[in-house]
Amino acid sequence: KAGVTQTPRYLIKTRGQQVTLSCSPISGHRSVSWYQQTPGQGLQFLFEYFSETQRNKGNFPGRFSGRQFSNSRSEMNVSTLELGDSALYLCASSSATGSEEQYFGPGTRLTVT
Amino acid sequence: AQTVTQSQPEMSVQEAETVTLSCTYDTSESDYYLFWYKQPPSRQMILVIRQEAYKQQNATENRFSVNFQKAAKSFSLKISDSQLGDAAMYFCAIERGSQGNLIFGKGTKLSVKP
Repeated sequence: KAGVTQTPRYLIKTRGQQVTLSCSPISGHRSVSWYQQTPGQGLQFLFEYFSETQRNKGNFPGRFSGRQFSNSRSEMNVSTLELGDSALYLCASSSATGSEEQYFGPGTRLTVT
Repeated sequence: AQTVTQSQPEMSVQEAETVTLSCTYDTSESDYYLFWYKQPPSRQMILVIRQEAYKQQNATENRFSVNFQKAAKSFSLKISDSQLGDAAMYFCAIERGSQGNLIFGKGTKLSVKP
């Protein structure tokens, strides 16, 4: 099976712009979670989608949003980018049938200038 | 709220030796899962080992094993016969049920000396 894929791998944006990141889960996986990784805050949970519904949300401002499509692919969007949004954004998928193992993608490195 | 604490920011081990990484956690949940993830310099997060809280038996995966002390809320990772490829950041994490919400510790950077 192919692993979790994320596009793009690297992104440079300007403060105030918006960005959309994409995640394709492992085939058959219905749950997709997003995490932000920064040197200062470490790994922080953003949100989780299961069958096109947001099931869990972390403590991030409303500028961070996401969605999941019927084929389980997921996107996250960050509007009005701030310098502090510079981070590695990781996506993880799981079958959510009881194994609870999350498989991570390679991440998208976002730099906000 | 759930929290995970890794008290060792950095550790070093000689190749072929054994090293133990510490992790303590706090949760009020009865149904939860514990994980150790490895993140090498390539940044791809890889699952090392998982433990269901309801299982008393410690999980093992080849050279990796855990010491799960539920009452003490401790979940340490032991790496035996350390290899150069084990050098990475190791993250301890907890997940409540099937909520898809991993809470991570700050990580331990493991160096392996040849």
